[in-house]
This record gives sequence, C-alpha cells and structure tokens, in this order.
Amino acid sequence: QSVLTQPPSVSAAPGQKVTISCSGSSSNIGNSYVSWYRHLPGTGPQLLIFDNNKRPSGIPDRFSGSKSGTSATLGITGLQTGDEADYYCGAWDSSLSAGVFGGGTKLTVL
Amino acid sequence: QVQLQESGPGLVKPSETLSLTCTVSGGSISGYYWSWIRQPPGKGLEWIGYIYKSGTTNYNPSLESRVTISQDTSKRQFSLRLSSVTAADTAVYFCARGEWSFWFNPWGQGTLVTVSS
Repeated sequence: QSVLTQPPSVSAAPGQKVTISCSGSSSNIGNSYVSWYRHLPGTGPQLLIFDNNKRPSGIPDRFSGSKSGTSATLGITGLQTGDEADYYCGAWDSSLSAGVFGGGTKLTVL
Repeated sequence: QVQLQESGPGLVKPSETLSLTCTVSGGSISGYYWSWIRQPPGKGLEWIGYIYKSGTTNYNPSLESRVTISQDTSKRQFSLRLSSVTAADTAVYFCARGEWSFWFNPWGQGTLVTVSS
C-alpha cells in the first residue's frame, strides 16, 4: 500500500488530454514539493515534473504539473502512442522522515 | 550529460548482504543527493536512502537498520549495502541523482537483484 494514491490506470485516445491524480496528506504533498516520472520497462524512470510544476530541459510543454492542498495532478496533452508507460508521483513525507512514491498509473493510449 | 550505471550480483542468498555500486559518468559526484530506489516485481517505487555532501546519509526508516550507503568520490561511485536480505528484498534497484526537494534526474537503467537460495 503506497503512501501516495494514484489511479491504477487511465486511458485516452491519441491527440486527447489525460490527467493523472496523486493524493496524499498534509505530511507529504501538503507540505512538500511533488515530482512526476515516466517509466518504461527495462529503463530508468524519466523525470517529467519537479517542484510541483517545473519541467526539466527537454521535456515538452505537453506535460504539466499542478498541486492543490494535499493532491497533485499530472496533465498530458496531445497524447501519442509513445506516451504509453507507467507514471509515478513522489514527495517527501515529514512524518515518516522518508521519501514516498505513488503506486503508479498505467497510461494506455487507445 | 550525466549518466549512472548500476553494477553488482544479480542473485543473493537469503540472510546475506546485497551489495551494489553506481558509477557516475559525465559529471562530478560532488553535491547532489546520490540515491538508491527500488521496485519489487509488480509493485511501485520505494525510496531507500541517499548520501550527500561530505558523506552525510539519510535512510528510509523501514530499512535503516539494514542499509548502508557510501561513496568513493575518487572513483565517482556510490554504493548500497543491504544486510540480512529476504525474498521481500527482490527488486529492481535504481541509482539516481537527487535534489533537496526530493526529485531525481537522471536515473540508472536499474539492475534486478533476486534473493533466493
């Protein structure tokens, strides 16, 4: 059972927009920065969003992040088949004194 | 650009110690929060811990009694030791470069470690 809660799966058609939610508490998301990662099997996760809503160099603006209270959201517009992957959120938890991740969301582009 | 590569045995016997090394290329190992993260089969990511600055470490309390992270700056490497392993420690282990606000970039490709006799 992950500390941060994500939907197990989401799906949308090519070209459409999808959002992935990440729900936590006041000890993690509510009091910490959130990051998002894309993970393909056999590779290391790729950073998409850091500090809630910043994109690292090389990540297109199709990817966006937001945070409100104890929840965060990753948005992906203009979906491509290449976006099919597992997506994870992460944050620091001050009560646990540990970093925590969500359980992951599998994105299917129909 | 900075690249990370994990290395170490892919099979460890129960009760023994898991040892992995991460080699950093394309950049300095000074600064940053050099981290280990794992993913058990079919499950999500679990933060193990990090080492930063002059060797200060911070570990996940759930693993703290069994974990040691160290670094060799001259070789641009940092290492993970996890003692008294059980089947529950079977996972893909990733090394990653971390920042203070808990984000990681880049990551190594990961290495599968299986605990079995």
